Amino acid sequence: FMLTQPRSLSESLGKTVIISCTRSSGRIASNYVQWFQQRPGSSPLTVIYEDNQRPSGVPDRFSGSIDSSSNSASLTISGLKTEDEADYYCQSYDSGNWVFGGGTKLTVL
Amino acid sequence: QVQLVQSGAELKKPGASVRVSCKASGYTFTTSYIHWVRQAPGQGLEWLGWINPGIGETKYPRKFQGRVTMTRDTSITTAFMELNSLSFDDTAIYFCARVPLRGEVSWGQGTLVTVSS
Repeated sequence: FMLTQPRSLSESLGKTVIISCTRSSGRIASNYVQWFQQRPGSSPLTVIYEDNQRPSGVPDRFSGSIDSSSNSASLTISGLKTEDEADYYCQSYDSGNWVFGGGTKLTVL
Repeated sequence: QVQLVQSGAELKKPGASVRVSCKASGYTFTTSYIHWVRQAPGQGLEWLGWINPGIGETKYPRKFQGRVTMTRDTSITTAFMELNSLSFDDTAIYFCARVPLRGEVSWGQGTLVTVSS
């Protein structure tokens, strides 16, 4: 299956943005979804794991969810800060293989 | 705390092989899988496979089967990824990642592999 994300999104400082990740076949709830943030020149960083769990150290402005009706996962970032400007990747599993979304470039205006 | 420290940048010629290491610390090495992921310049993340350090079992996507080999040395808590028959398209940053049974993924700092004649 494939995971499809919007290529880019932009939103203003202090606002809320939702990044979607749609699974092409099979149920989104069948396998956990993780979200990684990658700033330019840095390694990825886990911001959400197991659909909606937030690692310690990740601000509670970040939250994850899944929606069976649209077969998609979402990453919501509220109270946008300039430091949130980055690429975001969703990732799930297919018979033990990792599958990545294409990534979303988030610009904070 | 969990740390994954990768080996330094490599410059290789087409047709050669490259071996990247990933030294783990801060947790029990044999209890978490190590995955390898690469990122070509300006591109997204691409999965290369995993190794179970406890028993040495590996899994690779079809695209890389026959060309990638993942190993580990438990005595030095280090995982290795070897990619052979390199082409220009293999120029990328290669990351290792620790994937526990439950909990968040931790990432290495990345290793730049450049394939150039």
